[in-house]
Amino acid sequence: KNEVEQSPQNLTAQEGEFITINCSYSVGISALHWLQQHPGGGIVSLFMLSSGKKKHGRLIATINIQEKHSSLHITASHPRDSAVYICAVTVGTGNQFYFGTGTSLTVIP
Amino acid sequence: GAGVSQSPSNKVTEKGKDVELRCDPISGHTALYWYRQSLGQGLEFLIYFQGNSAPDKSGLPSDRFSAERTGGSVSTLTIQRTQQEDSAVYLCASSLVGGYNEQFFGPGTRLTVL
Repeated sequence: KNEVEQSPQNLTAQEGEFITINCSYSVGISALHWLQQHPGGGIVSLFMLSSGKKKHGRLIATINIQEKHSSLHITASHPRDSAVYICAVTVGTGNQFYFGTGTSLTVIP
Repeated sequence: GAGVSQSPSNKVTEKGKDVELRCDPISGHTALYWYRQSLGQGLEFLIYFQGNSAPDKSGLPSDRFSAERTGGSVSTLTIQRTQQEDSAVYLCASSLVGGYNEQFFGPGTRLTVL
């Protein structure tokens, strides 16, 4: 059983659409991270949150600690948003990381 | 400023050989992580260094894997007697202090074991 589950695994959207990627976890966490990995590229940390909501530009991340669930939203999606989005949680003192398997997003012009 | 760097970017080796992968974290970052990403798989935690504390080696898949961090900066991941299943992208990340801070990832080393 994976400690972190993401859905959907794959997502195709038209440019301009509102996108939601979901992450559920089964362990008590210290923090939750959303990461972005472009094809052939490195990994970039988008958000780290332990409660509430954070916003960077067109990206919004929310977390519900009671429900052990987080969502990543992309407003007005663009082809350059095409990437794999990975949810990860830290447990305990913060050095144990568990990763979801990622959501592959393709935004079509 | 300089980000996390890793070398080599690509490594092809024969089964049974030893390999060393290097990571230069961002200056001042006390936490350093090694991860592995196999083809079609998610990220897998390997090892974590925090300052001068004993590393958390709980993610290392076998005793063929080891890592050290000299002077609290550069880290080397060593894989002895490589096997084909070791083929993966090995990623290094650093952060100010542990998992409570944003991690900055290096570009990775793609290891291919023939």
